[in-house]
Amino acid sequence: GQQVMQIPQYQHVQEGEDFTTYCNSSTTLSNIQWYKQRPGGHPVFLIQLVKSGEVKKQKRLTFQFGEAKKNSSLHITATQTTDVGTYFCAVSAGGTSYGKLTFGQGTILTVHP
Amino acid sequence: ETGVTQTPRHLVMGMTNKKSLKCEQHLGHNAMYWYKQSAKKPLELMFVYNFKEQTENNSVPSRFSPECPNSSHLFLHLHTLQPEDSALYLCASSQEPGIAGELFFGEGSRLTVL
Repeated sequence: GQQVMQIPQYQHVQEGEDFTTYCNSSTTLSNIQWYKQRPGGHPVFLIQLVKSGEVKKQKRLTFQFGEAKKNSSLHITATQTTDVGTYFCAVSAGGTSYGKLTFGQGTILTVHP
Repeated sequence: ETGVTQTPRHLVMGMTNKKSLKCEQHLGHNAMYWYKQSAKKPLELMFVYNFKEQTENNSVPSRFSPECPNSSHLFLHLHTLQPEDSALYLCASSQEPGIAGELFFGEGSRLTVL
């Protein structure tokens, strides 16, 4: 089945520092989604990327889809304590696999005040 | 409030017990999912239902039995579970599984098997 590798597994930053998590696949993806899960919470959808080379921004968050549609990144500028949580990418191979999302292992972000 | 409600939020059961997890979505979606989240593991897709029909069983052991009586309700019946089945069970819904769209997750049912 679809496999996706997400790195790093853990990231500790000081408040105000930047943060990036990467998601890599060995196969071409039809789309990629990003979710955030706060400690003790449930995953919440952040964004979906569909087009090759697509870049989307949400305030301090920048999402990028690779040109070959095999990788993606989530970058947070000037982290805040409210950014704490686990960030997951989720991929779909498309076709009949639409809706069958495979989640990465997640990057656990800790922000020290 | 996510629009997807799961009960119970916490459940402790013995290996010989029978229990059920319930999920209800108020979003008018046609697809519903069960995911398992264990410590240090990625979210694992268990079952997919589309318009009440099961379209995916991701090699889940038969001690987990899903039921979807309508597009708004989803159950996970549990029977003779093992301690390694202890995990957070997340229900999710989406517009339709054939369209790439976001998943709306419930808050999860934390299951402990003794």
